Amino acid sequence: DGGITQSPKYLFRKEGQNVTLSCEQNLNHDAMYWYRQDPGQGLRLIYYSQIVNDFQKGDIAEGYSVSREKKESFPLTVTSAQKNPTAFYLCATKGGSWDGYTFGSGTRLTVV
Amino acid sequence: QQQVKQSPQSLIVQKGGISIINCAYENTAFDYFPWYQQFPGKGPALLIAIRPDVSEKKEGRFTISFNKSAKQFSLHIMDSQPGDSATYFCAASMRGSRLTFGEGTQLTVNP
Repeated sequence: DGGITQSPKYLFRKEGQNVTLSCEQNLNHDAMYWYRQDPGQGLRLIYYSQIVNDFQKGDIAEGYSVSREKKESFPLTVTSAQKNPTAFYLCATKGGSWDGYTFGSGTRLTVV
Repeated sequence: QQQVKQSPQSLIVQKGGISIINCAYENTAFDYFPWYQQFPGKGPALLIAIRPDVSEKKEGRFTISFNKSAKQFSLHIMDSQPGDSATYFCAASMRGSRLTFGEGTQLTVNP
């Protein structure tokens, strides 16, 4: 069954701790994306990667880091430098040039 | 140049009515216009998409209307149902590039 797996679904962390969100895909898609969504808000791009071992900053990259060591995996680390990390985080992939995005089911991060 | 402006922010429709959500863009190089549907606590899912070589695309109760000269496109949901209650996002991209999303429209269909 092809798809995107984001884990965990819910994550709680204390302020000042780094936390890593997992995104794994078996769609064989080259491009992967991380978005942040706040309540009642749109989708804001954090980082994206179009190929293994390469990634670019999106619109709100400060306080976040990523890696792309394998085609299937694109983990996102929310660092202590992120001032307001509580949000819903979405991972997406894109196949060919004319394809839309496929989104995962998201991780809801709460920092207390 | 890269923005996609979506309206309205929220929409309430009676069951059986027509829901209409509008989007406008500035970048004439955009050539792919998808709509996504998102239910609470879930990731967005691709609903329907259009390219600028056609003015309308219909899939079941969902229709995209595209006006290239006005740089606008809209989503029409015919015979709206309570199960259609969700947040809808329009988006646009140039071939091979990342999507630019609208701000979203929260649709509520009352029974």
